[in-house]
Amino acid sequence: DAGVTQSPTHLIKTRGQQVTLRCSPKSGHDTVSWYQQALGQGPQFIFQYYEEEERQRGNFPDRFSGHQFPNYSSELNVNALLLGDSALYLCASSSSIGLGRNSYEQYFGPGTRLTVT
Amino acid sequence: RKEVEQDPGPFNVPEGATVAFNCTYSNSASQSFFWYRQDCRKEPKLLMSVYSSGNEDGRFTAQLNRASQYISLLIRDSKLSDSATYLCVVNENAGNMLTFGGGTRLMVKP
Repeated sequence: DAGVTQSPTHLIKTRGQQVTLRCSPKSGHDTVSWYQQALGQGPQFIFQYYEEEERQRGNFPDRFSGHQFPNYSSELNVNALLLGDSALYLCASSSSIGLGRNSYEQYFGPGTRLTVT
Repeated sequence: RKEVEQDPGPFNVPEGATVAFNCTYSNSASQSFFWYRQDCRKEPKLLMSVYSSGNEDGRFTAQLNRASQYISLLIRDSKLSDSATYLCVVNENAGNMLTFGGGTRLMVKP
């Protein structure tokens, strides 16, 4: 049973550039959430996608956008990169179907470490 | 005030010790609660969900006090492999965003 996968593993970009990160959810999951984790802090929610639409958004600027495909995989796009965007970007998948006490648990991929110089 | 607060530690304990982590959350409407474990430069891994009745999984016990908006995690008989950062996590709306505490670092020493 494949878990959540993300690509690329690492990425180095220059200020002002654009980046696209990719995520494939765990088998059987249909919901994808994206988080940003700065060094020494807990992850911060960026947004969540379900049925190819953004369902909820955290406190991130419009430079952060996303997409979900019919196969439930997802992309995170960040435009006009700033030095402060350097972080670990985590994708988490979950099922929209509540399955008893374990419903709505989110499982994380290994993350993409983005460095902006 | 942070929505989910944890003591950052580090907690340095010897093997075999019992250690307890606490967490408070600000939104009384929060619905679901979790503990995640995160190793250095790795992704968070779900350790256990936390239920109102309290729950236990081997050496790990989680408790929830909704009245005090307080969550705890107890680790008994600590192992070297328990060394990690433990993240307290709250879900305000079922299925949607997770709000993480800053994490508590645990170091178990021989």
